[in-house]
Amino acid sequence: AQKITQTQPGMFVQEKEAVTLDCTYDTSDPSYGLFWYKQPSSGEMIFLIYQGSYDQQNATEGRYSLNFQKARKSANLVISASQLGDSAMYFCAMRADNAGNMLTFGGGTRLMVKP
Amino acid sequence: DVKVTQSSRYLVKRTGEKVFLECVQDMDHENMFWYRQDPGLGLRLIYFSYDVKMKEKGDIPEGYSVSREKKERFSLILESASTNQTSMYLCATREGEAQYFGPGTRLLVL
Repeated sequence: AQKITQTQPGMFVQEKEAVTLDCTYDTSDPSYGLFWYKQPSSGEMIFLIYQGSYDQQNATEGRYSLNFQKARKSANLVISASQLGDSAMYFCAMRADNAGNMLTFGGGTRLMVKP
Repeated sequence: DVKVTQSSRYLVKRTGEKVFLECVQDMDHENMFWYRQDPGLGLRLIYFSYDVKMKEKGDIPEGYSVSREKKERFSLILESASTNQTSMYLCATREGEAQYFGPGTRLLVL
């Protein structure tokens, strides 16, 4: 079974500063993928970034980067130069290859960006 | 752009009622999913379907059933709604590594 843990229920960050959202995972499958999603107050889930377990480099997408530390089983999301529009819930998720189509989600972190 | 739509944004039903939540996608994706989202628990998979008339149970299928008669439409059915099924329900499709979500249906069971 897979498990995702997000230990920060809520965080504040000052506008224009960088912020790191923590995510640790647990799986016995050697092949898996890690995802981050953003959920604004409107409710839709927005796919942000993906990291494969065999990828040598950390994934980056614009202001988002994934700090992947395989030995520590962590996949933290780093948002650089925070903007007011970044205020939202953020979910870390995982799909192990032996779990087929199933995504396992963490409990989420609510990020609030202060002007 | 992938478009996933859900029939209702908000729904209020009474205990014991039969409830249908509809999801439609326009990108010909084979895989479709139903999740429920509750505070502190993240998203939990109820059912998924990898083809027409095919379905697989997720983590929390009890009290739910699904129907996929056409590729673009995946329905979630609450045979007899209960108050503990009050939640946000999210439909998703999958292409490659990414899942694309609908806007969600917030269901209140009284």
